[in-house]
Amino acid sequence: GDSVTQMEGPVTLSEEAFLTINCTYTATGYPSLFWYVQYPGEGLQLLLKATKADDKGSNKGFEATYRKETTSFHLEKGSVQVSDSAVYFCALDTDKLIFGTGTRLQVFP
Amino acid sequence: NAGVTQTPKFRVLKTGQSMTLLCAQDMNHEYMYWYRQDPGMGLRLIHYSVGEGTTAKGEVPDGYNVSRLKKQNFLLGLESAAPSQTSVYFCASSLKRARGGTQYFGPGTRLLVL
Repeated sequence: GDSVTQMEGPVTLSEEAFLTINCTYTATGYPSLFWYVQYPGEGLQLLLKATKADDKGSNKGFEATYRKETTSFHLEKGSVQVSDSAVYFCALDTDKLIFGTGTRLQVFP
Repeated sequence: NAGVTQTPKFRVLKTGQSMTLLCAQDMNHEYMYWYRQDPGMGLRLIHYSVGEGTTAKGEVPDGYNVSRLKKQNFLLGLESAAPSQTSVYFCASSLKRARGGTQYFGPGTRLLVL
């Protein structure tokens, strides 16, 4: 069945460091891909999405490119801030939204 | 525009007790969902609804019932709570079900079953 695999955390970085959180997927058909973010004590909110191969989603300095050949949708940010500390979920949607297990990011000053 | 709201925020139950979680959205969305979030397991879909008066089972429906009597509300019921239902419950809604439709989440209900 369809599934999402993302790197285990926590990912611990210093402020202004480069961030990569890996996400790969298995799906039949052509899913849309998402990154959701969950700040402490809150619900999930959409960070970015891509609906077809080679699309790049971007928001708040985060980027992810839909790579069909490697079935990946890695999240990147060039310079993280303390306020980016959160849990990040990769997800795919063919018929239902299927989430990865989440990656906790901790950014220290 | 409040988005998606959930009631209550936190609840403690004893095994065997019942309760209802309420989800409300003011975005006129057709689709609504209930998820549970457990450590190391991401979010798993419990039940969902594609419109007023309709409901369907998700990935982990056992022990839960739902109702969608009004378009803006989606209720999740636990008839006889069990410790395995200790979790954080999230409601979500979306305008469309097709690919690329963004789901909007509520703030969550933390449930502890003793």
